[in-house]
Amino acid sequence: NAGVTQTPKFRVLKTGQSMTLLCAQDMNHEYMYWYRQDPGMGLRLIHYSVGEGTTAKGEVPDGYNVSRLKKQNFLLGLESAAPSQTSVYFCASKWGWDGYTFGSGTRLTVV
Amino acid sequence: AQSVTQPDIHITVSEGASLELRCNYSYGATPYLFWYVQSPGQGLQLLLKYFSGDTLVQGIKGFEAEFKRSQSSFNLRKPSVHWSDAAEYFCAVQVTGNQFYFGTGTSLTVIP
Repeated sequence: NAGVTQTPKFRVLKTGQSMTLLCAQDMNHEYMYWYRQDPGMGLRLIHYSVGEGTTAKGEVPDGYNVSRLKKQNFLLGLESAAPSQTSVYFCASKWGWDGYTFGSGTRLTVV
Repeated sequence: AQSVTQPDIHITVSEGASLELRCNYSYGATPYLFWYVQSPGQGLQLLLKYFSGDTLVQGIKGFEAEFKRSQSSFNLRKPSVHWSDAAEYFCAVQVTGNQFYFGTGTSLTVIP
């Protein structure tokens, strides 16, 4: 049982480049989330999805887009990367009111 | 507005000593409460959760937490800390199916 898998684990981008982070879960969870983690700021919600084909904005959505075409996958896109998007990105999924299951994170550096 | 406060940014304890990490929340009703642990370079792992019932809940790795409604607190405890407990600890509250708030974390250092 793999749980939540994030790819890639590390990435360096130049300012203005684009990329997609992939999150895959094999637990048949309805809800999926993208967070970013920055020192001293805890985790901040970027976007989330309550089911296949749905997405919604979280606390810090600007500069990011998401898609949930399949229930098991949740993609986070950066169309034009900026240094302010240097962060560690975590995907999480859950079922109902239960707690999150987190992926191991993607460390992104934008230079 | 809902909020989660972890007043201690960093705590250092000696191996074998007891540990208490504080968490306070601001919300009108009793939310669902969680503690997560994050080891360096890893994602967050669920330690324990409180939904209702007995206010003292047991979790993995020998951790427990006590919910105190009068103090709006959900403090995490461990009787005897091991060196492997060094990590970042996050308190979180869930107030609806999709409103989930994290504290800013407490970093734990364990001295041999």
